[in-house]
Amino acid sequence: DAEITQSPRHKITETGRQVTLACHQTWNHNNMFWYRQDLGHGLRLIHYSYGVQDTNKGEVSDGYSVSRSNTEDLPLTLESAASSQTSVYFCASSEVGLAGFYNEQFFGPGTRLTVL
Amino acid sequence: QKEVEQNSGPLSVPEGAIASLNCTYSDRGSQSFFWYRQYSGKSPELIMFIYSNGDKEDGRFTAQLNKASQYVSLLIRDSQPSDSATYLCAASTWGGAQKLVFGQGTRLTINP
Repeated sequence: DAEITQSPRHKITETGRQVTLACHQTWNHNNMFWYRQDLGHGLRLIHYSYGVQDTNKGEVSDGYSVSRSNTEDLPLTLESAASSQTSVYFCASSEVGLAGFYNEQFFGPGTRLTVL
Repeated sequence: QKEVEQNSGPLSVPEGAIASLNCTYSDRGSQSFFWYRQYSGKSPELIMFIYSNGDKEDGRFTAQLNKASQYVSLLIRDSQPSDSATYLCAASTWGGAQKLVFGQGTRLTINP
């Protein structure tokens, strides 16, 4: 079965370190997204990609970067981790349906990141 | 700023009653609306999708859309304790932008 996986599931790091969170999907979806989820804020979009070599900034992109070298993977890098980046991170993927209106996003299991 | 607003709750409903979850959106260009359910410690999962004005029913769930009022709702009939979760409303526009804008979620508790 197609799926979307994230690794690691839990990560503890120190302030200032570079951290990369992996996201891998086997749906063959063109669209991939990274969100962070914090209490009271719902899901906030960090970066997204509509295909290989395409990346775009979301509403909370400062301090994060992504690259898309193939369809399956969209790794998220925290260049210099800060305590404010302690959060749960979700990766998602989607494909546009035939009608154009249906673009359900499928979510990975999440990565809980703690920055000390 | 394109926003989706939800009452964060918590919303407490007795078992067997109707739970009503509401969502408003600010972008009139929004075309499609999604309700995701998220259990504690888990990832969101889609339960309903609607893009036409009116009601859409799927089992115990009914999604309602009123584009003139920029209002989306989710009704859960015969609420069960297993419906206790956070419900996320999301909106997307058509025209190439396939992003979803999420509300902050409403925490629903069904009391036995």
